[in-house]
Amino acid sequence: SAVISQKPSRDICQRGTSLTIQCQVDSQVTMMFWYRQQPGQSLTLIATANQGSEATYESGFVIDKFPISRPNLTFSTLTVSNMSPEDSSIYLCSVGRTGSHEQFFGPGTRLTVL
Amino acid sequence: ILNVEQSPQSLHVQEGDSTNFTCSFPSSNFYALHWYRWETAKSPEALFVMTLNGDEKKKGRISATLNTKEGYSYLYIKGSQPEDSATYLCASLGGGTYKYIFGTGTRLKVLA
Repeated sequence: SAVISQKPSRDICQRGTSLTIQCQVDSQVTMMFWYRQQPGQSLTLIATANQGSEATYESGFVIDKFPISRPNLTFSTLTVSNMSPEDSSIYLCSVGRTGSHEQFFGPGTRLTVL
Repeated sequence: ILNVEQSPQSLHVQEGDSTNFTCSFPSSNFYALHWYRWETAKSPEALFVMTLNGDEKKKGRISATLNTKEGYSYLYIKGSQPEDSATYLCASLGGGTYKYIFGTGTRLKVLA
C-alpha cells in the first residue's frame, strides 16, 4: 500500500479563479491518477499522470482546464482553472504500480466554487 | 462503454441489523472488481479485490460475492455497527486496462 496526502483538504473559491491541488506519496510510484466526484455522481477519471511524460486526459477533460504536473515519482499537482460552480466536486489522487491493478487513494480535496 | 451501477443509493439500518448492497457491471471483458469503503474526509479504503467467478471474500463482519457471468457482486455486512457508516464503492476493471469504472456508491448510515 501507499500513504497519500492531499492539500488542501477543502477550499471555497470564487468563480473565475484557479486552485492547485497537491498530492504527495510516501514512496515512489509509477502511475498517478486524478479523479473527481461531482455531487451525486460516480468517481470519474480526469487524467493519468506518469513521471516524465505528458498527462493523458480522459474524454471530456482538457489540459487547459485541468493542467497537471508530475515532477517526480512521489508528487503531482492538479490545477482547476477558471473555475465555475460546476467544478464543485471532491478531487482525489490515486497511485498504482506497474504490474498491479490495485490503486490507493488520497483523502480528497473538497472544492466549492461560489 | 462500461457502466457500473450500485443499489440502493442510500440505506439507513439499525445497529445490529444485517444488510447487503448490489454492484452490477458489464460481464464482457471483465478482469477485476474492487470494493472500497469511503468515510467522509478520509481516503477510500480497499475492502476486497475479486477476480474469479464464484469468489467469496470475508473481512470480519463484511463479506462479498462475485458472479462474473451475470455481472453482479453483493456486499454483506453482518450485525451493522455505527462505525460501519460510510459510502461503499465498487469499481470494475476491464481486461487490458488500468482504468477503474466506479459506481455511484451506496451510502450506509447505521443508527445506534
